[in-house]
Amino acid sequence: DGGITQSPKYLFRKEGQNVTLSCEQNLNHDAMYWYRQDPGQGLRLIYYSQIVNDFQKGDIAEGYSVSREKKESFPLTVTSAQKNPTAFYLCASSPRGGGVDNQPQHFGDGTRLSIL
Amino acid sequence: AQSVAQPEDQVNVAEGNPLTVKCTYSVSGNPYLFWYVQYPNRGLQFLLKYITGDNLVKGSYGFEAEFNKSQTSFHLKKPSALVSDSALYFCAVRDPDTGRRALTFGSGTRLQVQP
Repeated sequence: DGGITQSPKYLFRKEGQNVTLSCEQNLNHDAMYWYRQDPGQGLRLIYYSQIVNDFQKGDIAEGYSVSREKKESFPLTVTSAQKNPTAFYLCASSPRGGGVDNQPQHFGDGTRLSIL
Repeated sequence: AQSVAQPEDQVNVAEGNPLTVKCTYSVSGNPYLFWYVQYPNRGLQFLLKYITGDNLVKGSYGFEAEFNKSQTSFHLKKPSALVSDSALYFCAVRDPDTGRRALTFGSGTRLQVQP
């Protein structure tokens, strides 16, 4: 079955530590996204990538970094500069271009990050 | 800039009764509108979308939504609620006339269906 796999499901970060969240998709989608979900705030966009080797900052990019070396993969690093990283992180993907720009995003099942 | 408002944090409805979850949006052009549902500790699942055409769109699990351009609303509805519909619902918008491809989400509405 095609889909998006996020790992790990739960992650704990120590003070001053960088951690990387994995996101892999086998839907052959060009575009991928990272969102942060906090209670009562909905989803906020961290970074997105429309094509391999290209990505753009979203609304809350400070303290985060990404890479897009392969179409299937869009890992997110939460750096020590992110002072409030405790949240539920969701990765999504969607087709791009042609007549598919209006297609919905597909989501993974998320990674819950907590501070030790 | 594009934005979405979901004015109700929670909606309570009895099983078998109709339900409505409200959403209003703001974009500069014609919007793409989406509804998603989220169950605990899971990702978002797509329910339905409005792109163009008929203002009443039908989606998964018996849900439908009505696009109202004059009121800039896209309320989610279901004629008869089920206990299993209890979940967190998100409205999202994209303005295709901007370069921003990502969706902007509302803050979510928790639907509680009582048996």
